Amino acid sequence: QKEVEQDPGPLSVPEGAIVSLNCTYSNSAFQYFMWYRQYSRKGPELLMYTYSSGNKEDGRFTAQVDKSSKYISLFIRDSQPSDSATYLCAMKAGGYQKVTFGTGTKLQVIP
Amino acid sequence: GAVVSQHPSWVICKSGTSVKIECRSLDFQATTMFWYRQFPKQSLMLMATSNEGSKATYEQGVEKDKFLINHASLTLSTLTVTSAHPEDSSFYICSAPRGTSGGADTQYFGPGTRLTVL
Repeated sequence: QKEVEQDPGPLSVPEGAIVSLNCTYSNSAFQYFMWYRQYSRKGPELLMYTYSSGNKEDGRFTAQVDKSSKYISLFIRDSQPSDSATYLCAMKAGGYQKVTFGTGTKLQVIP
Repeated sequence: GAVVSQHPSWVICKSGTSVKIECRSLDFQATTMFWYRQFPKQSLMLMATSNEGSKATYEQGVEKDKFLINHASLTLSTLTVTSAHPEDSSFYICSAPRGTSGGADTQYFGPGTRLTVL
């Protein structure tokens, strides 16, 4: 079993839809959770960074962490064609420890 | 946000030659940098951790003699793919961690280098 599981998609949604991206994990030591966006042939870009359980909102993006279920989510409101990219979840146990990545979910927002 | 650059952005080389890829943190110092490899439609695979002033730490299965890493300064790490072969063709990405106010760090990635070995 992989430490981090993420549905690779692809996920296609119409413009303006609410997108839900999810990851599950098995390592209960994970405390720090990140979401990265990666456009084709580019390096990943940090979107959201959260510590422990709870919600964090930044513009159209909301990150949720449920440590009891070992489940994290990223919601994108009012999705735009420019949101079309691969979204990677990432997590680590300690503040300065190695990061474990999900495989990424490819999202396509159709105009 | 923090900026990490990579050079070159893409390179094509002949089999048997060596290729050097540079990773620089532009607005912060990084005593540690990470090198990843990414195949099409796959996630990032950590290859090694580059440490300023000491030897790099390689992940299991990564040949240290093939992928030479030098952390020359607090803002520069280089990855040299020696005697490259077609199976080394991939997208190589570096990252550098930067401290946050919460007592942790977060990684900022370079734009990646696409290597094609003919």
